[in-house]
Amino acid sequence: EAGVTQFPSHSVIEKGQTVTLRCDPISGHDNLYWYRRVMGKEIKFLLHFVKESKQDESGMPNNRFLAERTGGTYSTLKVQPAELEDSGVYFCASSPLREGKLFFGSGTQLSVL
Amino acid sequence: KNEVEQSPQNLTAQEGEFITINCSYSVGISALHWLQQHPGGGIVSLFMLSSGKKKHGRLIATINIQEKHSSLHITASHPRDSAVYICAVRGHSGGGADGLTFGKGTHLIIQP
Repeated sequence: EAGVTQFPSHSVIEKGQTVTLRCDPISGHDNLYWYRRVMGKEIKFLLHFVKESKQDESGMPNNRFLAERTGGTYSTLKVQPAELEDSGVYFCASSPLREGKLFFGSGTQLSVL
Repeated sequence: KNEVEQSPQNLTAQEGEFITINCSYSVGISALHWLQQHPGGGIVSLFMLSSGKKKHGRLIATINIQEKHSSLHITASHPRDSAVYICAVRGHSGGGADGLTFGKGTHLIIQP
């Protein structure tokens, strides 16, 4: 069974550009989470989907971040326009249950120059 | 808002030693996760627990709900156990963010 996959694994962009990160959860997992680790800090929650609906987006930093999960399968996280402080590792995780074990992807390392 | 504190931040030990990593949190939770991240690698869930103790191979996780404290133990440590170990907690339903609150992690190095 395939795990959670994230694409790209690395992205280097200039300030002001747009970047889209993608997460493919484990098939059948209704719950999908986005997290971010900024250098030197702890991992922080961004948002939670249940199927295609945003259940909780209280962790989204600002309106430059837009997450979608059309059809309740894969999810995208778009940053537009990117700023220097957006650099970090973006993790996606999925779970079959809201309070179940989480399965993490390998993360996308985003560098904004 | 839950505050999650881990100790120690960094730990270097010799192969074979018994390792303990601690995690404390400030607000009641529904579950606590122990996660492992190898250098350059993704995050792997080791345990999810809400009470008592769980064991998997050489790893043991315990939690004391009254004291708001959990420990992760590694017996007969091996260099391949070198990784960052992260404690994360989930609040009660309806109590706030659906996601986890993470500790800063414990960077463990096991020397041969």
